[in-house]
Amino acid sequence: EAGVVQSPRYKIIEKKQPVAFWCNPISGHNTLYWYRQNLGQGPELLIRYENEEAVDDSQLPKDRFSAERLKGVDSTLKIQPAELGDSAVYLCASSLLRRSSYNEQFFGPGTRLTVL
Amino acid sequence: QKEVEQDPGPLSVPEGAIVSLNCTYSNSAFQYFMWYRQYSRKGPELLMYTYSSGNKEDGRFTAQVDKSSKYISLFIRDSQPSDSATYLCAMSAGTGNQFYFGTGTSLTVIP
Repeated sequence: EAGVVQSPRYKIIEKKQPVAFWCNPISGHNTLYWYRQNLGQGPELLIRYENEEAVDDSQLPKDRFSAERLKGVDSTLKIQPAELGDSAVYLCASSLLRRSSYNEQFFGPGTRLTVL
Repeated sequence: QKEVEQDPGPLSVPEGAIVSLNCTYSNSAFQYFMWYRQYSRKGPELLMYTYSSGNKEDGRFTAQVDKSSKYISLFIRDSQPSDSATYLCAMSAGTGNQFYFGTGTSLTVIP
């Protein structure tokens, strides 16, 4: 079974430039998460989708970050414009949401963003 | 105060040692307690999870949860160089709820 796929793996941009990250979740997983992981820190949730609906985006900096999950499968996270403090690893995870049991989140390898 | 506190280490042990990793938390609503392992340049992968209080064992790994003290532990027996990674604890209040991660503890097992 293929895991969560993310691209690109690495991205270096100048500040104020736009950048986009792509995620393809595990087939059949209805829930998709975007996390940001700063150096030496644990992942922090940015947004969670159930199918096409963003059900938790309270920690997404909406002035510069946007996300979409068309057709409830792939997802794109965008930053425009990027700031120096956005340098981090952006992780995508997916799970099969079942209300009555534990839902394991499977993580992709992440996109390492460096803003110069 | 952060929801989850974890000593970042780094922790360095000789091969074969018993390793103890710990996290504390403040939210009494947490019901699921997870341990993830993250190798360099990789995403986190689940090692094991525990629901509510108690112990859970999987091979060389044992997870313990003490909800009365808001304290969880992961023990690694007979540690191997391949166990060298960052270990993240994570917690959530229920299925479908947000995961809260610790900062991670960096572990090196020396051959």
